[in-house]
Amino acid sequence: ETGVTQTPRHLVMGMTNKKSLKCEQHLGHNAMYWYKQSAKKPLELMFVYNFKEQTENNSVPSRFSPECPNSSHLFLHLHTLQPEDSALYLCASSQLQGTKNIQYFGAGTRLSVL
Amino acid sequence: ILNVEQSPQSLHVQEGDSTNFTCSFPSSNFYALHWYRWETAKSPEALFVMTLNGDEKKKGRISATLNTKEGYSYLYIKGSQPEDSATYLCAFKTGNTGKLIFGQGTTLQVKP
Repeated sequence: ETGVTQTPRHLVMGMTNKKSLKCEQHLGHNAMYWYKQSAKKPLELMFVYNFKEQTENNSVPSRFSPECPNSSHLFLHLHTLQPEDSALYLCASSQLQGTKNIQYFGAGTRLSVL
Repeated sequence: ILNVEQSPQSLHVQEGDSTNFTCSFPSSNFYALHWYRWETAKSPEALFVMTLNGDEKKKGRISATLNTKEGYSYLYIKGSQPEDSATYLCAFKTGNTGKLIFGQGTTLQVKP
Protein backbone atom coordinates (compact mmCIF):
# COMPACT_ATOMS: atom_id res chain seq x y z
CA GLU A 1 0.00 0.00 0.00
CA THR A 2 1.74 3.16 -1.22
CA GLY A 3 -0.83 5.68 0.03
CA VAL A 4 -1.91 6.52 -3.53
CA THR A 5 -5.18 4.98 -4.69
CA GLN A 6 -6.40 4.93 -8.27
CA THR A 7 -9.88 3.99 -9.49
CA PRO A 8 -11.01 2.23 -11.52
CA ARG A 9 -8.26 -0.36 -12.01
CA HIS A 10 -9.61 -1.33 -15.42
CA LEU A 11 -11.73 0.66 -17.88
CA VAL A 12 -13.08 -0.18 -21.30
CA MET A 13 -14.66 2.65 -23.24
CA GLY A 14 -15.87 3.46 -26.72
CA MET A 15 -14.49 6.36 -28.69
CA THR A 16 -17.60 8.46 -28.08
CA ASN A 17 -17.77 7.86 -24.30
CA LYS A 18 -16.81 10.26 -21.54
CA LYS A 19 -15.17 8.78 -18.47
CA SER A 20 -12.95 9.94 -15.61
CA LEU A 21 -9.99 8.43 -13.80
CA LYS A 22 -9.57 9.24 -10.13
CA CYS A 23 -6.48 9.43 -7.95
CA GLU A 24 -6.33 10.08 -4.22
CA GLN A 25 -3.25 10.39 -2.02
CA HIS A 26 -3.15 10.14 1.79
CA LEU A 27 0.48 11.19 2.20
CA GLY A 28 0.13 14.95 2.68
CA HIS A 29 2.05 15.65 -0.54
CA ASN A 30 1.75 18.91 -2.46
CA ALA A 31 2.47 17.66 -5.99
CA MET A 32 0.55 15.18 -8.12
CA TYR A 33 1.28 13.68 -11.52
CA TRP A 34 -0.36 11.77 -14.38
CA TYR A 35 1.78 9.38 -16.40
CA LYS A 36 0.98 7.24 -19.41
CA GLN A 37 2.63 3.96 -20.20
CA SER A 38 2.06 2.50 -23.64
CA ALA A 39 3.36 -0.92 -24.62
CA LYS A 40 7.16 -1.04 -25.01
CA LYS A 41 7.55 2.67 -24.17
CA PRO A 42 8.91 4.44 -21.08
CA LEU A 43 6.64 6.05 -18.54
CA GLU A 44 5.62 9.33 -20.13
CA LEU A 45 4.78 12.36 -17.98
CA MET A 46 1.45 13.96 -18.96
CA PHE A 47 0.62 16.57 -16.32
CA VAL A 48 2.07 17.98 -13.10
CA TYR A 49 0.10 19.81 -10.43
CA ASN A 50 1.82 21.73 -7.63
CA PHE A 51 -0.41 23.05 -4.84
CA LYS A 52 -3.44 22.44 -7.12
CA GLU A 53 -1.95 24.52 -9.96
CA GLN A 54 -1.01 22.87 -13.24
CA THR A 55 2.69 23.46 -13.87
CA GLU A 56 3.37 21.01 -16.66
CA ASN A 57 1.39 19.90 -19.69
CA ASN A 58 3.59 17.67 -21.78
CA SER A 59 1.86 18.44 -25.11
CA VAL A 60 -1.08 16.23 -24.18
CA PRO A 61 -4.07 16.26 -26.58
CA SER A 62 -7.11 18.16 -25.33
CA ARG A 63 -9.20 14.97 -25.22
CA PHE A 64 -7.38 14.42 -21.89
CA SER A 65 -8.49 17.01 -19.34
CA PRO A 66 -6.98 16.99 -15.85
CA GLU A 67 -8.57 18.43 -12.74
CA CYS A 68 -7.03 18.95 -9.31
CA PRO A 69 -9.68 20.24 -6.85
CA ASN A 70 -7.32 19.96 -3.84
CA SER A 71 -3.87 18.63 -3.01
CA SER A 72 -5.18 15.14 -2.26
CA HIS A 73 -7.26 14.48 -5.36
CA LEU A 74 -6.48 14.37 -9.05
CA PHE A 75 -8.79 13.47 -11.91
CA LEU A 76 -8.23 12.75 -15.58
CA HIS A 77 -11.35 13.37 -17.67
CA LEU A 78 -11.45 11.45 -20.92
CA HIS A 79 -13.60 12.20 -23.97
CA THR A 80 -13.58 11.14 -27.64
CA LEU A 81 -10.48 9.01 -27.14
CA GLN A 82 -8.75 7.07 -29.89
CA PRO A 83 -7.73 3.40 -29.85
CA GLU A 84 -4.07 4.48 -29.61
CA ASP A 85 -4.89 6.03 -26.21
CA SER A 86 -5.22 2.51 -24.80
CA ALA A 87 -2.51 2.30 -22.15
CA LEU A 88 -1.79 2.11 -18.43
CA TYR A 89 -2.37 5.46 -16.72
CA LEU A 90 -0.45 5.98 -13.49
CA CYS A 91 -0.91 8.66 -10.88
CA ALA A 92 1.86 9.69 -8.49
CA SER A 93 2.40 12.19 -5.70
CA SER A 94 5.42 13.72 -3.98
CA GLN A 95 6.65 16.55 -1.83
CA LEU A 96 7.74 19.23 -4.25
CA GLN A 97 10.60 20.71 -2.25
CA GLY A 98 13.74 18.90 -1.24
CA THR A 99 16.34 16.84 -2.98
CA LYS A 100 14.59 13.53 -2.75
CA ASN A 101 11.21 14.24 -4.41
CA ILE A 102 10.49 10.52 -4.27
CA GLN A 103 7.31 9.87 -6.18
CA TYR A 104 4.75 7.46 -4.77
CA PHE A 105 2.67 5.72 -7.40
CA GLY A 106 -0.77 4.24 -7.57
CA ALA A 107 -1.30 0.84 -9.17
CA GLY A 108 -2.68 2.41 -12.33
CA THR A 109 -5.79 2.26 -14.48
CA ARG A 110 -5.59 -0.07 -17.48
CA LEU A 111 -7.59 1.70 -20.21
CA SER A 112 -8.84 0.06 -23.39
CA VAL A 113 -10.45 2.23 -26.06
CA LEU A 114 -12.57 0.32 -28.56
CA ILE B 1 15.14 15.97 -26.03
CA LEU B 2 16.48 14.26 -22.91
CA ASN B 3 16.88 10.50 -23.25
CA VAL B 4 17.37 7.93 -20.54
CA GLU B 5 18.51 4.55 -21.79
CA GLN B 6 18.46 1.30 -19.86
CA SER B 7 20.14 -1.95 -20.77
CA PRO B 8 19.52 -4.74 -21.15
CA GLN B 9 15.78 -4.56 -21.88
CA SER B 10 15.24 -7.94 -20.24
CA LEU B 11 17.25 -10.46 -18.31
CA HIS B 12 16.65 -14.06 -17.26
CA VAL B 13 18.86 -15.44 -14.48
CA GLN B 14 18.89 -18.45 -12.18
CA GLU B 15 18.23 -18.15 -8.48
CA GLY B 16 21.49 -17.32 -6.73
CA ASP B 17 23.06 -15.53 -9.71
CA SER B 18 24.27 -11.98 -9.24
CA THR B 19 23.34 -9.50 -11.92
CA ASN B 20 23.63 -5.88 -12.87
CA PHE B 21 22.08 -3.43 -15.30
CA THR B 22 22.81 0.02 -16.60
CA CYS B 23 21.06 3.36 -16.79
CA SER B 24 22.54 6.04 -19.09
CA PHE B 25 21.45 9.65 -18.83
CA PRO B 26 22.60 13.11 -20.01
CA SER B 27 25.69 14.22 -18.08
CA SER B 28 24.71 17.91 -18.20
CA ASN B 29 22.17 19.61 -15.91
CA PHE B 30 22.15 16.65 -13.54
CA TYR B 31 20.11 16.99 -10.35
CA ALA B 32 19.21 13.47 -9.22
CA LEU B 33 18.83 9.90 -10.40
CA HIS B 34 16.02 7.69 -9.11
CA TRP B 35 15.72 3.90 -9.23
CA TYR B 36 12.28 2.28 -8.95
CA ARG B 37 11.21 -1.34 -8.71
CA TRP B 38 7.93 -2.30 -10.41
CA GLU B 39 6.39 -5.69 -9.79
CA THR B 40 3.64 -6.89 -12.11
CA ALA B 41 0.16 -5.62 -11.14
CA LYS B 42 1.63 -3.42 -8.38
CA SER B 43 2.81 0.19 -8.06
CA PRO B 44 6.36 1.27 -8.88
CA GLU B 45 8.27 1.69 -5.59
CA ALA B 46 11.33 3.85 -5.02
CA LEU B 47 14.58 2.00 -4.32
CA PHE B 48 17.16 4.77 -4.31
CA VAL B 49 17.58 8.48 -4.94
CA MET B 50 21.15 9.42 -5.83
CA THR B 51 22.46 12.95 -6.14
CA LEU B 52 26.25 13.05 -5.82
CA ASN B 53 28.89 11.77 -8.22
CA GLY B 54 30.35 8.61 -6.73
CA ASP B 55 27.26 7.93 -4.60
CA GLU B 56 26.76 4.32 -3.62
CA LYS B 57 23.48 3.16 -2.08
CA LYS B 58 22.58 -0.24 -0.65
CA LYS B 59 19.33 -1.88 0.41
CA GLY B 60 19.71 -5.52 1.38
CA ARG B 61 21.07 -7.42 -1.63
CA ILE B 62 20.49 -4.49 -4.00
CA SER B 63 23.00 -1.70 -4.49
CA ALA B 64 23.54 1.14 -6.94
CA THR B 65 26.37 3.40 -8.03
CA LEU B 66 26.35 6.76 -9.76
CA ASN B 67 28.73 8.48 -12.18
CA THR B 68 27.36 11.90 -13.09
CA LYS B 69 30.42 12.97 -15.11
CA GLU B 70 29.96 10.19 -17.65
CA GLY B 71 26.21 9.87 -17.20
CA TYR B 72 25.56 6.36 -15.95
CA SER B 73 24.31 4.41 -12.97
CA TYR B 74 24.57 0.69 -12.27
CA LEU B 75 22.11 -1.38 -10.26
CA TYR B 76 23.47 -4.61 -8.77
CA ILE B 77 21.53 -7.52 -7.30
CA LYS B 78 23.57 -10.05 -5.34
CA GLY B 79 22.28 -13.62 -5.12
CA SER B 80 19.04 -13.04 -7.06
CA GLN B 81 15.86 -14.55 -5.63
CA PRO B 82 12.54 -15.23 -7.44
CA GLU B 83 10.98 -12.34 -5.49
CA ASP B 84 13.45 -9.98 -7.20
CA SER B 85 11.59 -10.57 -10.46
CA ALA B 86 10.32 -7.14 -11.52
CA THR B 87 10.97 -4.27 -13.90
CA TYR B 88 13.64 -1.88 -12.67
CA LEU B 89 13.20 1.71 -13.80
CA CYS B 90 15.64 4.57 -13.59
CA ALA B 91 14.56 8.20 -13.85
CA PHE B 92 16.59 11.37 -14.39
CA LYS B 93 15.87 14.74 -12.80
CA THR B 94 17.31 18.00 -14.15
CA GLY B 95 16.15 20.47 -11.52
CA ASN B 96 14.28 20.97 -8.31
CA THR B 97 10.91 20.34 -9.89
CA GLY B 98 8.95 17.14 -9.74
CA LYS B 99 9.67 16.22 -13.34
CA LEU B 100 11.25 12.80 -13.85
CA ILE B 101 12.33 11.39 -17.20
CA PHE B 102 12.09 7.61 -17.14
CA GLY B 103 14.01 4.96 -19.01
CA GLN B 104 12.21 2.03 -20.57
CA GLY B 105 13.21 -0.30 -17.75
CA THR B 106 15.02 -3.61 -17.39
CA THR B 107 12.73 -6.57 -16.78
CA LEU B 108 14.37 -9.19 -14.60
CA GLN B 109 13.09 -12.74 -14.29
CA VAL B 110 14.70 -14.99 -11.70
CA LYS B 111 14.06 -18.70 -12.17
CA PRO B 112 14.00 -20.97 -9.09
